[in-house]
Amino acid sequence: DAGITQSPRHKVTETGTPVTLRCHQTENHRYMYWYRQDPGHGLRLIHYSYGVKDTDKGEVSDGYSVSRSKTEDFLLTLESATSSQTSVYFCAIGRRLAGGPSTDTQYFGPGTRLTVL
Amino acid sequence: QQPVQSPQAVILREGEDAVINCSSSKALYSVHWYRQKHGEAPVFLMILLKGGEQKGHEKISASFNEKKQQSSLYLTASQLSYSGTYFCGTDPPARFGAGTRLTVKP
Repeated sequence: DAGITQSPRHKVTETGTPVTLRCHQTENHRYMYWYRQDPGHGLRLIHYSYGVKDTDKGEVSDGYSVSRSKTEDFLLTLESATSSQTSVYFCAIGRRLAGGPSTDTQYFGPGTRLTVL
Repeated sequence: QQPVQSPQAVILREGEDAVINCSSSKALYSVHWYRQKHGEAPVFLMILLKGGEQKGHEKISASFNEKKQQSSLYLTASQLSYSGTYFCGTDPPARFGAGTRLTVKP
C-alpha cells in the first residue's frame, strides 16, 4: 500500500461543468502523475508533477489543468467537462523500491470513474 | 510514444505458458511491468534495467533487450490468479502499452 487515495471515487457530471479530482499521498513522494484509462488505449499520461508548483504536460493534456500547492495533494481540473473526458482516472506516485535500483517505479491510487453526460 | 504490446489478448488453460512482448521506438533505461485486475488499479510486478539481469516474480519472469528496445514477460505454468491485463511501461513519467488481456481457464 503506497498510501494513495483519490476522491471522489465516482462522479457523474454534465457537459460544460467544471470538475476537480483530488489525489492525496501520505508518504511525501516528490513525483505524482495523472493518467486516464480508456478501452483500447491503456493508460495515457495527462500531467505530472516533480515538486510543489512544478508540473509538466503529458501526451493527452488538452482540456486538463493541474495544481500542486502541497507535496501531498495533486489536483486535476477539467475546466469545462466534455463527453470525451468520460474515463477512469488514476493518480500515481513515483517511489524507489527498497533495496532496488536507483530509478523510480510508479504506484497507483484506486482510481476515479468519471462520467460526463 | 507509447510502447507496442503483443498479443492484444491470449487465452490459456491452467498450467500453460505464455509470452507477452513489448517494444519501444525510443531508447529505454528501464522497462516496468504491471498487472491489472478488472475494476482495480494496476499493480507493479517488476522492473528491468538496461544491462540488468532477468527478473522474476512468482513464476513470472521477464527479459529486456536494450539494443532492440524490447522486453518480454514470461508466464510459466499459469494459474487462475494470473488472469488480468498486463502493461509494460517506460521510464517515468511512464508511457504504457495498450495492454495484453490474459485469461486463464481451469
